[in-house]
Amino acid sequence: GAVVSQHPSRVICKSGTSVKIECRSLDFQATTMFWYRQFPKQSLMLMATSNEGSKATYEQGVEKDKFLINHASLTLSTLTVTSAHPEDSSFYICSAASVEGVTDTQYFGPGTRLTVL
Amino acid sequence: QQQVKQSPQSLIVQKGGISIINCAYENTAFDYFPWYQQFPGKGPALLIAIRPDVSEKKEGRFTISFNKSAKQFSLHIMDSQPGDSATYFCAAPKGGGKLIFGQGTELSVKP
Repeated sequence: GAVVSQHPSRVICKSGTSVKIECRSLDFQATTMFWYRQFPKQSLMLMATSNEGSKATYEQGVEKDKFLINHASLTLSTLTVTSAHPEDSSFYICSAASVEGVTDTQYFGPGTRLTVL
Repeated sequence: QQQVKQSPQSLIVQKGGISIINCAYENTAFDYFPWYQQFPGKGPALLIAIRPDVSEKKEGRFTISFNKSAKQFSLHIMDSQPGDSATYFCAAPKGGGKLIFGQGTELSVKP
């Protein structure tokens, strides 16, 4: 149980284009999903918290107009990187917190490798 | 107050040995301490977690030791295996369901 999927697993795009990443909780409902980015050999950096049916809350320093988050249902959140640039190249990981699960337990997706040329 | 400091940054252990990774926190209000395991190119997976009402939790070869007075918790991997080679992250709650992560420890278990 507690499986989270991400799609795509990797994407290469040209500078200036937008990329959408999907995060799905497959076998449970998630009121809250989180989006992280991770650079090589570094820790996970929380970008934003996504709550079903409401606006996402962004961490300090994260541009909300650049990283658009939509949490349309209890099983799906999307992250759209708008007008991507090479510095946006990173490993993006989502996580989901179960509605009925233990507080603070997050289940992570497999990640999406974004490369912006 | 919100930091979690993890050490060592990297660790090399012989097969069969004990791997020990430490984390220190500052906020005494933290009430949940998970450890995550991450393989290259994959997302982190919850390994084991502890709440501060116990001093130790064991699951198979993995043990969390918790020292509330010292504000430290550690992960012990007994009988370390090459398949345990991964990056390990400790974490603590930040509020609102968020987690803050330690800097990570890259473990390499040599055969």
